[in-house]
Amino acid sequence: AQSVAQPEDQVNVAEGNPLTVKCTYSVSGNPYLFWYVQYPNRGLQFLLKYITGDNLVKGSYGFEAEFNKSQTSFHLKKPSALVSDSALYFCAVRDDNAGNMLTFGGGTRLMVKP
Amino acid sequence: DAGVTQSPTHLIKTRGQQVTLRCSPISGHKSVSWYQQVLGQGPQFIFQYYEKEERGRGNFPDRFSARQFPNYSSELNVNALLLGDSALYLCASSLAGLEQETQYFGPGTRLLVL
Repeated sequence: AQSVAQPEDQVNVAEGNPLTVKCTYSVSGNPYLFWYVQYPNRGLQFLLKYITGDNLVKGSYGFEAEFNKSQTSFHLKKPSALVSDSALYFCAVRDDNAGNMLTFGGGTRLMVKP
Repeated sequence: DAGVTQSPTHLIKTRGQQVTLRCSPISGHKSVSWYQQVLGQGPQFIFQYYEKEERGRGNFPDRFSARQFPNYSSELNVNALLLGDSALYLCASSLAGLEQETQYFGPGTRLLVL
């Protein structure tokens, strides 16, 4: 079975500071990893994904994520946070042995303060 | 280009009633997936369809059913509604439903069961 953990319910960061939102996963096969962002009363917006290759993945709006196979992690990062980055962030995984089901973590609320 | 569209945006039903939610995928996408997002949680996979056939089913009771039409749009039906079915229902589309593909989400239908 595949699973995702986002250990922090909320992350607080000052505008201009770097941010990290943590994600760890568990799969039986090879993982396909995704990050999505959700603004209030909206659906999910795709940020980036890791399929294979370079462990550092760059995505939309200046976000990037680092795949670490030994630590089974896929943390989301941004060098300089903006107030407009405040939202709910979801990490998701698909196992190449487990069909097409996308499994999401519980979400992390990012609060960026001016 | 239009993204994934869903209708209605909001819906109020009473226990025991039945509901039908609709989804139109991004043009050119042939796979549609449905997710349930209960307040404060990450989305949970319900179904995936590709070329009108069910490709995957999550851990939901038989009260939940879906279908995909020749134009690749989809409907999710929920019978005998329970209070616990109150949630945001998200539809996502992808090109062919493959594991490494990105799923693009619609804005969701918010269902309230009284």
